[in-house]
Amino acid sequence: EAGVTQFPSHSVIEKGQTVTLRCDPISGHDNLYWYRRVMGKEIKFLLHFVKESKQDESGMPNNRFLAERTGGTYSTLKVQPAELEDSGVYFCASSQVGRAETQYFGPGTRLLVL
Amino acid sequence: RKEVEQDPGPFNVPEGATVAFNCTYSNSASQSFFWYRQDCRKEPKLLMSVYSSGNEDGRFTAQLNRASQYISLLIRDSKLSDSATYLCVVTDTDKLIFGTGTRLQVFP
Repeated sequence: EAGVTQFPSHSVIEKGQTVTLRCDPISGHDNLYWYRRVMGKEIKFLLHFVKESKQDESGMPNNRFLAERTGGTYSTLKVQPAELEDSGVYFCASSQVGRAETQYFGPGTRLLVL
Repeated sequence: RKEVEQDPGPFNVPEGATVAFNCTYSNSASQSFFWYRQDCRKEPKLLMSVYSSGNEDGRFTAQLNRASQYISLLIRDSKLSDSATYLCVVTDTDKLIFGTGTRLQVFP
């Protein structure tokens, strides 16, 4: 069974540009989460989708971040415009309905904003 | 104050040693508790869940003390392949709350 996949694996952009990260969850997993690790800090929750609905977006840092999950399959996280402090590793995770505590993580997207 | 506190280490131990990590968490409403392992530049992977009764998986033993909001992980007979960062994780409703991790380096 394929795991959680993320694209791209790395992205280097300049401040002010736009970047879109993609996550494909494990097939059949209705729960999809985005997390971020900024250098030197712990991994932090950004938001949680149940199918196509945003269940919890309390961790989104500001309105420069927009997450979508049209059709309840893959999800995108867009940062526009990117700032230096957005640099970090963005992880996506998915889990089955009723098994929210058992989350499987993707390999992450390493974002560097110059 | 961080929601999940861990000693960042590093813990440098020889092969065969026993090493213990611990963490504390601040949210008494947390329901589920885990240890994740993260290798350098990789994603976190679930090592084991943690229960109040204590649980063991091979060389790994985890323990939860809800009263003092304390979680521990014991690794016996350390292997070189155990070198990684160990993340203490608790839940807050459906989201995972991570500690900063404890780095373990096992040397020959």
